[in-house]
Amino acid sequence: DTGVSQNPRHKITKRGQNVTFRCDPISEHNRLYWYRQTLGQGPEFLTYFQNEAQLEKSRLLSDRFSAERPKGSFSTLEIQRTEQGDSAMYLCASSPRELSRAKNIQYFGAGTRLSVL
Amino acid sequence: DAKTTQPTSMDCAEGRAANLPCNHSTISGNEYVYWYRQIHSQGPQYIIHGLKNNETNEMASLIITEDRKSSTLILPHATLRDTAVYYCIVRVGTSYDKVIFGPGTSLSVIP
Repeated sequence: DTGVSQNPRHKITKRGQNVTFRCDPISEHNRLYWYRQTLGQGPEFLTYFQNEAQLEKSRLLSDRFSAERPKGSFSTLEIQRTEQGDSAMYLCASSPRELSRAKNIQYFGAGTRLSVL
Repeated sequence: DAKTTQPTSMDCAEGRAANLPCNHSTISGNEYVYWYRQIHSQGPQYIIHGLKNNETNEMASLIITEDRKSSTLILPHATLRDTAVYYCIVRVGTSYDKVIFGPGTSLSVIP
């Protein structure tokens, strides 16, 4: 178990380009979350999957953003027609199926830092 | 989820205990207190959580007041590697919903 893996770690793009980030959760974690974090702020929720089903999307997730988790394992987050305001750290987290005591712990990856020029 | 209030920043001398307070006066009976921390350029890391009893693990201790309206995270012997932003979060323990992060407390451990 190597933890949550995110690729790439850094992405620099020009305004108007499309970018895609990948997240590999901890194996057998059935829940996967995407967050966005700007400088000096705590992470903000974007969207959440249980297996392959996308169960919730934040209002922050405009129509330029799309996330998928096609086989219930890895996930991708795509941003179309990037804008400078999209510059942020994009974090992925996963959590296990916890059947016993309340222990919904989310395990985070190191994030992908996006810079839109 | 209930809201929390934390100091913006704190300093602690290396080797001393770091005591990070959190107020959560509107906490509900089924809500737990969770603590995460985020070291610079890394993702948040879970530290500890509790409902009403004090909890201790290899990283920290969590002291929750009897009325559950506030709590304190204790790092017993702070090291330079404990310099990070610490987030206190209150949420329903059985919820698999999103985590709502506030701005947290920026802890600086000073040599």
